[in-house]
Amino acid sequence: SAVISQKPSRDICQRGTSLTIQCQVDSQVTMMFWYRQQPGQSLTLIATANQGSEATYESGFVIDKFPISRPNLTFSTLTVSNMSPEDSSIYLCSVDGLAVQETQYFGPGTRLLVL
Amino acid sequence: GEDVEQSLFLSVREGDSSVINCTYTDSSSTYLYWYKQEPGAGLQLLTYIFSNMDMKQDQRLTVLLNKKDKHLSLRIADTQTGDSAIYFCAESISNAGNMLTFGGGTRLMVKP
Repeated sequence: SAVISQKPSRDICQRGTSLTIQCQVDSQVTMMFWYRQQPGQSLTLIATANQGSEATYESGFVIDKFPISRPNLTFSTLTVSNMSPEDSSIYLCSVDGLAVQETQYFGPGTRLLVL
Repeated sequence: GEDVEQSLFLSVREGDSSVINCTYTDSSSTYLYWYKQEPGAGLQLLTYIFSNMDMKQDQRLTVLLNKKDKHLSLRIADTQTGDSAIYFCAESISNAGNMLTFGGGTRLMVKP
């Protein structure tokens, strides 16, 4: 399985500001995914990020609010823009599995609190 | 549409077996997964089962799949306090690339 790291691991931010979360993988992967996990909830897919193309956003998520970069096959960023307290969540990146078809491996998550 | 459901909470005593259940609605699921999330951590893939299998065993973990009833279960034998976590089932669908749909998660509490 891939080793995935995220930065920062946690942050406390003021409303109206933006935060960029980084996701680094130790091997080249085709697809990277960004999820949001609101407090006490399950995971909701925000978008899929493929290298060399625009990210594909799920219903309810837009590029202006969650811009994503995917400059190469091992790295991606998610920005949470113009934050409000409702954006307080865990943000997780994941990658498509190399050993098991159609599975995903997850990073440790970024815990965001917006005041 | 896709819908994956789990019970919210399960409490067992250390040494007992735990059974966590999951139901799904999409009959075109190809793989079904169990992930574990410990407090303050990300998701760890525990095990998976291909949709044409009925059962898979991996050490203390047994996965049962009833495709007719669209029911998936995870049995943990000899449950330990370190098994306390939230367990998510998830499905992937053959015509949706690598997309996963997650259940709401079952919080397992193991009492000593």
